[in-house]
Amino acid sequence: AQSVSQHNHHVILSEAASLELGCNYSYGGTVNLFWYVQYPGQHLQLLLKYFSGDPLVKGIKGFEAEFIKSKFSFNLRKPSVQWSDTAEYFCAVTHARGGSYIPTFGRGTSLIVHP
Amino acid sequence: DAGVIQSPRHEVTEMGQEVTLRCKPISGHDYLFWYRQTMMRGLELLIYFNNNVPIDDSGMPEDRFSAKMPNASFSTLKIQPSEPRDSAVYFCASSFPSRGSTEAFFGQGTRLTVV
Repeated sequence: AQSVSQHNHHVILSEAASLELGCNYSYGGTVNLFWYVQYPGQHLQLLLKYFSGDPLVKGIKGFEAEFIKSKFSFNLRKPSVQWSDTAEYFCAVTHARGGSYIPTFGRGTSLIVHP
Repeated sequence: DAGVIQSPRHEVTEMGQEVTLRCKPISGHDYLFWYRQTMMRGLELLIYFNNNVPIDDSGMPEDRFSAKMPNASFSTLKIQPSEPRDSAVYFCASSFPSRGSTEAFFGQGTRLTVV
């Protein structure tokens, strides 16, 4: 069964600091990868996704993620965080085709950005 | 499209009462997922449907939980009888993998409190 591991459970940063959140998945086949963001009291919204092609994916609000197939990783980055980035971040994986399309989520990383 | 619509947004009920959560997926989506989110366990998949048919309900915690999808535009998650440990945020999500995207779109969630 596929699984997703997010290594950082809580991250606290000051504004303008750089961010990198780790995500590793376990599945040997072709996958689709996602990062979702959940602002306080809200639902999950898509930040970015990787299906194929360029392994460096750019999303909304200045976020990007890099798919490294050999490491089964899909780390999220942002060069300079803002107070408004305070939220919970979830990495997720699905099979790309012919398998389970169920999104499997990591436990999430709580990011707090101090102004 | 209005997105995935859930109702109610908030539900407070007494232990032992029946609770029904409702979800309208995005039109045309053929996968529907019910997730439960708690601080202790993160996002848990409870059940999912494909073309209105329940495919995997192994995540349903107990027989007190049941879910139906009578048609492509409506699903319910019922808890009877409810218990305080059922307090959580319940999310419904839908996707349309046959269009080439396994991205799940989430509703706003129902925050359930059982007292």
